[in-house]
Amino acid sequence: GQNIDQPTEMTATEGAIVQINCTYQTSGFNGLFWYQQHAGEAPTFLSYNVLDGLEEKGRFSSFLSRSKGYSYLLLKELQMKDSASYLCLYNQGGKLIFGQGTELSVKP
Amino acid sequence: GAVVSQHPSWVICKSGTSVKIECRSLDFQATTMFWYRQFPKQSLMLMATSNEGSKATYEQGVEKDKFLINHASLTLSTLTVTSAHPEDSSFYICSAGSGRSTYEQYFGPGTRLTVT
Repeated sequence: GQNIDQPTEMTATEGAIVQINCTYQTSGFNGLFWYQQHAGEAPTFLSYNVLDGLEEKGRFSSFLSRSKGYSYLLLKELQMKDSASYLCLYNQGGKLIFGQGTELSVKP
Repeated sequence: GAVVSQHPSWVICKSGTSVKIECRSLDFQATTMFWYRQFPKQSLMLMATSNEGSKATYEQGVEKDKFLINHASLTLSTLTVTSAHPEDSSFYICSAGSGRSTYEQYFGPGTRLTVT
């Protein structure tokens, strides 16, 4: 199947840390991406994981466990501008499969 | 990084007319481009895969006669919404890969279509 699942919405406080989880069907897996999308705009690339482990890039980190079909995006030192939709998607045999997105609201 | 442009960025058309949306890779060649549609507060939905020099591959439920895709060159793919109806109003986004790896998918800025 092409199932990919992430929470619909999350709320966090400015300066805090938030973890957005994503689970996916493992068949045909060829890499997992996280994108950030602000309302009315195209998605922008955040991270790419193809091997197990944690990839750190500034305030954002992404983790992958291929055997569990699980990934998370970790956002540290949250800022108001981080309020956006975060899309988990994976490459299944060359085709990108999108999750429904997690709407993150950062409160002061 | 690689840049993908779309034109127009927004368009309003009357019901029954056709609208063409262009997707261009500005500084790289893209043998494959993807077209997505996004309704408010929903995720992107893949409509079709556009292959240079061959017919597009449409996802299940997407009418190929209504959404015409032409990928005539390595830098341009077009999506034509024929006989548009209000329910076709949506945000249309394309993405393109440079071909070096499927990891490198670059998104266009999107086209907001409103059908009245």
